[in-house]
Amino acid sequence: DSGVTQTPKHLITATGQRVTLRCSPRSGDLSVYWYQQSLDQGLQFLIQYYNGEERAKGNILERFSAQQFPDLHSELNLSSLELGDSALYFCASSVEGNTDTQYFGPGTRLTVL
Amino acid sequence: EDKVVQSPLSLVVHEGDTVTLNCSYEVTNFRSLLWYKQEKKAPTFLFMLTSSGIEKKSGRLSSILDKKELSSILNITATQTGDSAIYLCAGVPVQGGSEKLVFGKGTKLTVNP
Repeated sequence: DSGVTQTPKHLITATGQRVTLRCSPRSGDLSVYWYQQSLDQGLQFLIQYYNGEERAKGNILERFSAQQFPDLHSELNLSSLELGDSALYFCASSVEGNTDTQYFGPGTRLTVL
Repeated sequence: EDKVVQSPLSLVVHEGDTVTLNCSYEVTNFRSLLWYKQEKKAPTFLFMLTSSGIEKKSGRLSSILDKKELSSILNITATQTGDSAIYLCAGVPVQGGSEKLVFGKGTKLTVNP
């Protein structure tokens, strides 16, 4: 158990809908990262937050957005969902934004029908 | 564009065999390389490598980085069925304060009894 928690574990929804994925980092970690893992693309970095501020953006679609709250938990919002958005979404955390060891949560499996 | 390539993509061995997994990287302002093991869900951290030629070891697993060749290997000796997993390699580029990980597609290792 890495200490990173994610909810929900599974999510099934329809195309066009909007969902919110939640992540709580390990105690003391200020930095949160979101990744998408699909069968054909592997693990792809989406976005990073550090102490409430966006620090880096990866291959995140405009339909997706994220934020980190004062208590350091983070939410990833996915809207206008498409079939291709079906994937495992991981959150990871690290102590600061400048450390390389990221600890991953158990992931949320999103299925878009 | 940053890229990490792993080989082989899959590998089937018998218990007791020794395996070598390969990772090559092209990463902007390379900072470090990480190895993760992914069984059913979240990747779990194995090693972080920053210096060339220094072997990191943990039990039957070891890894080494070759900065000249832009590559790393992960060795597993006396494999056990519990080593069956996807092994992920990730490069860490230096980009401001961001510590995003650029993952390879992984090597799926199957250890048969």
